[in-house]
Amino acid sequence: DVKVTQSSRYLVKRTGEKVFLECVQDMDHENMFWYRQDPGLGLRLIYFSYDVKMKEKGDIPEGYSVSREKKERFSLILESASTNQTSMYLCASSPTLSAGDYNEQFFGPGTRLTVL
Amino acid sequence: DAKTTQPNSMESNEEEPVHLPCNHSTISGTDYIHWYRQLPSQGPEYVIHGLTSNVNNRMASLAIAEDRKSSTLILHRATLRDAAVYYCILRDRGGGADGLTFGKGTHLIIQP
Repeated sequence: DVKVTQSSRYLVKRTGEKVFLECVQDMDHENMFWYRQDPGLGLRLIYFSYDVKMKEKGDIPEGYSVSREKKERFSLILESASTNQTSMYLCASSPTLSAGDYNEQFFGPGTRLTVL
Repeated sequence: DAKTTQPNSMESNEEEPVHLPCNHSTISGTDYIHWYRQLPSQGPEYVIHGLTSNVNNRMASLAIAEDRKSSTLILHRATLRDAAVYYCILRDRGGGADGLTFGKGTHLIIQP
């Protein structure tokens, strides 16, 4: 079974703390993504990576950074957590598109982060 | 990105077919129609996708209108486990590393 795992299902942090969210995929996918999901705002892309050590900003990168040192692992970092970063964080991965393939994204279970 | 419109919610009975509509009147020629769903407290999961022809897989069927301005996701025999939010999105095939953009989707309620 293909799998994307996230380090925590629930996390509570205090304002100003540095927060690390880890994501691991076992499908040898090139592409990995971090999203946040909020009621009424839908799914929004924070950052994505198409290769080791490569990263691209998504729609809402402010306040976040990412790290991809190994192909299977993509980390989201909140340098100084704030209350408006309370959200559900979802990691996903997908293979690079090749002829005849569809680049379906596989999602992890999500991390519900609360910043107090 | 081309926009899609879905009903906010739908209700159906267990073991009956469910037809979930999606309108996408501004679809371009290279846009694929994709469906994902999100079960309670889980990440989204891929359901099905298509371009022009109707598609079937083990989870569902996708019926695409001839003018491609609308489509319908069909669950042939709904179970309680199909209760989820269903998202219809359009994606150009060329973007391997493109992020997904979900709207509000349709909240499907299944009655026992």
